[in-house]
Amino acid sequence: EAGVVQSPRYKIIEKKQPVAFWCNPISGHNTLYWYLQNLGQGPELLIRYENEEAVDDSQLPKDRFSAERLKGVDSTLKIQPAELGDSAVYLCASSSRSQGEQFFGPGTRLTVL
Amino acid sequence: QKEVEQNSGPLSVPEGAIASLNCTYSDRGSQSFFWYRQYSGKSPELIMFIYSNGDKEDGRFTAQLNKASQYVSLLIRDSQPSDSATYLCAVPGGRDDKIIFGKGTRLHILP
Repeated sequence: EAGVVQSPRYKIIEKKQPVAFWCNPISGHNTLYWYLQNLGQGPELLIRYENEEAVDDSQLPKDRFSAERLKGVDSTLKIQPAELGDSAVYLCASSSRSQGEQFFGPGTRLTVL
Repeated sequence: QKEVEQNSGPLSVPEGAIASLNCTYSDRGSQSFFWYRQYSGKSPELIMFIYSNGDKEDGRFTAQLNKASQYVSLLIRDSQPSDSATYLCAVPGGRDDKIIFGKGTRLHILP
């Protein structure tokens, strides 16, 4: 069984530039999560999807962050414009049911210069 | 504000000894509890989950849950250097489904 796929693995951009991350969850997993993880901290939820519906985006900074999950499979997280403080690891996870075991992708390490 | 608290460590344990990791949570409605292990530079992976009060054993790992005191712990028996990692406690909210991760405890097994 293929795991959660994320790309790119690393991204370096200058502040004020846009950036996008892509996630392909485990086949059949309806629930998809985007997390942000800073060094020495636990993952912080940005947005959770049930199929194509964003059911929890309360922690997503909507002035610069956006996400979509068309057709309820792949998902894209976008930041525009990026700020220095956005430097972090962005993790995607999926699960077969809400509140169930989550499987994480390898993450995208973003560096904003 | 729902919280999940963990001692950040580092917790140093001699090889072969028992490592004890603790987690407290604030939401009394929480029903399930997860322990994830995260190696440096890697993503979290689930190692244990527990739903009922008491102990749950899986190989060298034992999860202990006490809902009345609102804590969940993870015991690692016969600690190995490969157990050196950060251990994250994750608690889904009781009513709003929001899953909250603790900051994690760094465990270092001394050879």
